[in-house]
Amino acid sequence: LAKTTQPISMDSYEGQEVNITCSHNNIATNDYITWYQQFPSQGPRFIIQGYKTKVTNEVASLFIPADRKSSTLSLPRVSLSDTAVYYCLVGRHGSSNTGKLIFGQGTTLQVKP
Amino acid sequence: DSGVTQTPKHLITATGQRVTLRCSPRSGDLSVYWYQQSLDQGLQFLIQYYNGEERAKGNILERFSAQQFPDLHSELNLSSLELGDSALYFCASSVGGGSSYEQFFGPGTRLTVL
Repeated sequence: LAKTTQPISMDSYEGQEVNITCSHNNIATNDYITWYQQFPSQGPRFIIQGYKTKVTNEVASLFIPADRKSSTLSLPRVSLSDTAVYYCLVGRHGSSNTGKLIFGQGTTLQVKP
Repeated sequence: DSGVTQTPKHLITATGQRVTLRCSPRSGDLSVYWYQQSLDQGLQFLIQYYNGEERAKGNILERFSAQQFPDLHSELNLSSLELGDSALYFCASSVGGGSSYEQFFGPGTRLTVL
């Protein structure tokens, strides 16, 4: 499993765009990059997943450079409700693989008014 | 609502006791995962079952065991409980067995060992 490194914490203000970068230098060819969000006392929630280039959904964008050794989660125009812990994970595709996810410390995002 | 249910929501027990936590996955999901989250340890992967069989093991203590039944619900058994076992226990499910499949987490069971 590829190890990931991301900032421990970040502060932002409402309405700003937030970019959280994660490094995963040992990512393997079959690995996908997934981001989860967790609010206090709740289980993590899937935000977005990608393999390469750029992925966008209704809540976030994920930018992955060609070498795939890092990825950036972009949250447009954050609000106070986006205050949470964000986890970057690298996982293997295919049902024959394990679903073991190694959650690191994550990035605690604090959005201020 | 993720579609994953966990019971009970809260559990208070004493050291040395044994408890069972229950999880029902989303309809159609074959994989069930158990995680432990305590204040000082973060979210720790314990074990995964896929279609009734153990698929992966994480930092699960020997005092803990789990199983997945034919109807795909799962139980996590914790025995000889210690104060340090106090934590939030999350169950998650996914349609596939690989870690790139989206995992849907339940609301958790908060275990307090006194």
